[in-house]
Amino acid sequence: AQTVTQSQPEMSVQEAETVTLSCTYDTSESDYYLFWYKQPPSRQMILVIRQEAYKQQNATENRFSVNFQKAAKSFSLKISDSQLGDAAMYFCALIMEYGNKLVFGAGTILRVKS
Amino acid sequence: EPEVTQTPSHQVTQMGQEVILRCVPISNHLYFYWYRQILGQKVEFLVSFYNNEISEKSEIFDDQFSVERPDGSNFTLKIRSTKLEDSAMYFCASSERGLINEQFFGPGTRLTVL
Repeated sequence: AQTVTQSQPEMSVQEAETVTLSCTYDTSESDYYLFWYKQPPSRQMILVIRQEAYKQQNATENRFSVNFQKAAKSFSLKISDSQLGDAAMYFCALIMEYGNKLVFGAGTILRVKS
Repeated sequence: EPEVTQTPSHQVTQMGQEVILRCVPISNHLYFYWYRQILGQKVEFLVSFYNNEISEKSEIFDDQFSVERPDGSNFTLKIRSTKLEDSAMYFCASSERGLINEQFFGPGTRLTVL
């Protein structure tokens, strides 16, 4: 069985600064995908960034980047130049290469201070 | 840009009543999913559906739940006799299982059972 752990229930960041959200996971398989989803107050799930486990290069999407450490089973999200619109709940999620279900972490609430 | 849609956005029902939550997946996607998020908790997998049958279901998905693809566009989740603990946000997702096993989420239906 796969598990995803987000150890930070809540984080705060000053506008324009950088914040890192942590995620660790556990799986015995080698082929999988990792995702970060943003959930604003509307509660819609918005994909922020994805990472294929077979890729060594860390994914980057504008101000969002990940630090993927496969051996350590760690997948942190870095948000640079934080904006007020980044305030939301962030979920880390894992799915096997041919799996059916996404396994989610408990989420981290990100607050952005102006 | 194609997107997953869900109706209604909010459903209020009395305990013991049947509810049907509706989803229109992205048109060329073949894999469909339902997830549930109880307020303040993590997103949980309910069921996956492919080729007109359930491919995987979780322990939550008991006999009170059923899914159906009644026509070429809709994908529904039925709860036969709702309980108070069924109150949650229900997300539909779909995927094409191409190069990346990525699921696209709808905006969710908030179900309130009184």
